[in-house]
Amino acid sequence: EAGVVQSPRYKIIEKKQPVAFWCNPISGHNTLYWYLQNLGQGPELLIRYENEEAVDDSQLPKDRFSAERLKGVDSTLKIQPAELGDSAVYLCASRSQGTDTQYFGPGTRLTVL
Amino acid sequence: GDSVTQMEGPVTLSEEAFLTINCTYTATGYPSLFWYVQYPGEGLQLLLKATKADDKGSNKGFEATYRKETTSFHLEKGSVQVSDSAVYFCALTPSGGYQKVTFGTGTKLQVIP
Repeated sequence: EAGVVQSPRYKIIEKKQPVAFWCNPISGHNTLYWYLQNLGQGPELLIRYENEEAVDDSQLPKDRFSAERLKGVDSTLKIQPAELGDSAVYLCASRSQGTDTQYFGPGTRLTVL
Repeated sequence: GDSVTQMEGPVTLSEEAFLTINCTYTATGYPSLFWYVQYPGEGLQLLLKATKADDKGSNKGFEATYRKETTSFHLEKGSVQVSDSAVYFCALTPSGGYQKVTFGTGTKLQVIP
């Protein structure tokens, strides 16, 4: 079974530019998460989807960040415009309904210059 | 709110040494407890978990016991290998609330030959 797929793995952009990350969860997993991981820290939740509905986006900086999961499968996280402080690893995870374990993708390492 | 506290790293051990990484938590009821491992350049992988008091999770020679009386879930391994070098995260989900995961800040382990 394929795991959580993320792309790109690495992205380098200049500040004020837009950037987008893509995630394809494990087949059949209806819950999808986007996390932000700063260097030396644990993941911090940005947004959680149940199918196509964003049910917890309280930690998402909505002035510059947006996300979508239009068909309840893959998802895109966007930053526009990017700031220097956005440099981090963006992790996607998925979970099957009724289970307690999240499965993580390899992440996208973003560097904003 | 829920929280997870891990011992600070980095932890440096010689190959075949005994490993303990301390983890304590604050949560109501009986949360599920997890250890995730993150190898360099990769996403988090579930290492082991325990869902009720006195349960012992184990995998790849690692063990952790759910201690309700001390609110702890310490990770142990009897003989570490160089390949165990990674960052280890303790985490919890609230009882009946698998949606949200609270992570510790991570403990970096370096095993030297």
